[in-house]
Amino acid sequence: DTAVSQTPKYLVTQMGNDKSIKCEQNLGHDTMYWYKQDSKKFLKIMFSYNNKELIINETVPNRFSPKSPDKAHLNLHINSLELGDSAVYFCASSATSGANEQFFGPGTRLTVL
Amino acid sequence: GENVEQHPSTLSVQEGDSAVIKCTYSDSASNYFPWYKQELGKGPQLIIDIRSNVGEKKDQRIAVTLNKTAKHFSLHITETQPEDSAVYFCAASRVVTGNQFYFGTGTSLTVIP
Repeated sequence: DTAVSQTPKYLVTQMGNDKSIKCEQNLGHDTMYWYKQDSKKFLKIMFSYNNKELIINETVPNRFSPKSPDKAHLNLHINSLELGDSAVYFCASSATSGANEQFFGPGTRLTVL
Repeated sequence: GENVEQHPSTLSVQEGDSAVIKCTYSDSASNYFPWYKQELGKGPQLIIDIRSNVGEKKDQRIAVTLNKTAKHFSLHITETQPEDSAVYFCAASRVVTGNQFYFGTGTSLTVIP
């Protein structure tokens, strides 16, 4: 049973295109996140949603727009893709009360040509 | 904001030896310190965590120690095995809604058979 799933796993696209990455969790968690992992493996938070509301928005270009239709989903839409957007994007989720472990998805490797 | 430093960036050990990874943090309000293991092509997975009211925690071959005064915490892996080879990340956060993690820069551990 997949806890946090992301689609697609790989995404190759041209500069200037618009693309979306989808994330779903079946853990009943209230909070979901998007992270970017660059080529040096550095993990950086991009966004966090709690009960469908944005609570963390790090310094991310406004070409990136997260959307949370419900507590179980947090999608990431990226407009006008640039070469520097190439990275692995991870979705994660956590419960807001009790243990604070974040459960990560398998990642989406985005390559912008 | 919080700043987490992690050392070393790469570590090679012989199978059966111990491995130690160290992290320091800057925000004295941080009170939750997880360690994640990331295998090639996968998302990070929690292997052990510690809260600020505890100085040490052990789970089989893995242990974590925390020194709140010095603001550093360490991961200890004993009797290393080839399957321990991965990238390990430390993180620091406050236990609040949203639970933003500040990750270290990662340690690539190689266990030589």
